[in-house]
Amino acid sequence: SQKIEQNSEALNIQEGKTATLTCNYTNYSPAYLQWYRQDPGRGPVFLLLIRENEKEKRKERLKVTFDTTLKQSLFHITASQPADSATYLCASVSGTYKYIFGTGTRLKVLA
Amino acid sequence: SQTIHQWPATLVQPVGSPLSLECTVEGTSNPNLYWYRQAAGRGLQLLFYSVGIGQISSEVPQNLSASRPQDRQFILSSKKLLLSDSGFYLCAWSAGYEQYFGPGTRLTVT
Repeated sequence: SQKIEQNSEALNIQEGKTATLTCNYTNYSPAYLQWYRQDPGRGPVFLLLIRENEKEKRKERLKVTFDTTLKQSLFHITASQPADSATYLCASVSGTYKYIFGTGTRLKVLA
Repeated sequence: SQTIHQWPATLVQPVGSPLSLECTVEGTSNPNLYWYRQAAGRGLQLLFYSVGIGQISSEVPQNLSASRPQDRQFILSSKKLLLSDSGFYLCAWSAGYEQYFGPGTRLTVT
């Protein structure tokens, strides 16, 4: 079955460092990958979308890559801050309505 | 600007009782609407989506149903809740590929 996998273990990094989160997809080829931020008890917030023909996308301190050979997307936060601590969800979009979400990776930025 | 509302924010219901969760979107017309459930430690599970009034597609057959009586209103219902229905219910809308989520409803079935 189509699946999005993210590292379920929490990622702890020091403030100012670059956080890198991984998203792998299996058994399909999504046209788009997205990244969302979710704070405890809140709904996810859309961050970035990348198309399969784009290698990289940037927005302020955020960078996303899409490697169709590795079937993987990487999500980077540069110069991380404690306010970046949250769970980050990866999602694929196939067709117009088919969204598949990963379980998310919890990031904790230590001051 | 667009906003999405969900209510109630929290709900505690006994097994076998009915359920009605409501979602409304403001500031956009003819959005695609979605209901998700998020169980503890698990990803978002798509339950229903709708591309227009009265048009509902179910992703996971279960004791839940959805309705879209108006363009910007989406309702999630159940006639008899099960313990396994507990979770965090999220409504979302999209006009393109980006999804925008509501604040969610925390449902506990006892």
